[in-house]
Amino acid sequence: AAGVIQSPRHLIKEKRETATLKCYPIPRHDTVYWYQQGPGQDPQFLISFYEKMQSDKGSIPDRFSAQQFSDYHSELNMSSLELGDSALYFCASSLGGQGLYEQYFGPGTRLTVT
Amino acid sequence: GNSVTQMEGPVTLSEEAFLTINCTYTATGYPSLFWYVQYPGEGLQLLLKATKADDKGSNKGFEATYRKETTSFHLEKGSVQVSDSAVYFCALRWEWGGGSNYKLTFGKGTLLTVNP
Repeated sequence: AAGVIQSPRHLIKEKRETATLKCYPIPRHDTVYWYQQGPGQDPQFLISFYEKMQSDKGSIPDRFSAQQFSDYHSELNMSSLELGDSALYFCASSLGGQGLYEQYFGPGTRLTVT
Repeated sequence: GNSVTQMEGPVTLSEEAFLTINCTYTATGYPSLFWYVQYPGEGLQLLLKATKADDKGSNKGFEATYRKETTSFHLEKGSVQVSDSAVYFCALRWEWGGGSNYKLTFGKGTLLTVNP
């Protein structure tokens, strides 16, 4: 079965650079969630989209922005990168509406900021 | 706000031992509860879930029962294997207001190591 695809899987950037992370949800899934997992930490919710509209927002820095496109894939744009942004970034997808369906996670993108 | 508290690890067991990982939650209303597993270097996989009080989720020999009276969702397995070594996350999803505001709130995770 098709799973959530994230690219790139690994990314190394320097401080103050920008990064773009991509997420391709499971076919027919219309909802995408982004989570950030710092080293040894639990995943923290960043932002979510349903039918191409932002549906919820968590502890996402103002330096980050995200969107969901017409084909339901999503991109997380990160600017002015800081050392503390080094983390594993997960995307999850689900079928939206009434929360009846669970979230399926991608393998994550490991971002290292040097 | 909503929160999940898990027993701190790491937990080290011998193969075929009994496993319990405690999880309690704080939330208003009736959240859905989940256990996710993360194997080394991999993403999160849903292990089991329960959506209402007294529901029991089960998968691959793991079980957890949604106890509203104690706000708990403890993970258990009768006989662990080396391949169960991973980090286990308890999570809740609090449904409110309609739409798709269904983010997951995770506990800190518990590292389980099973030795042969």
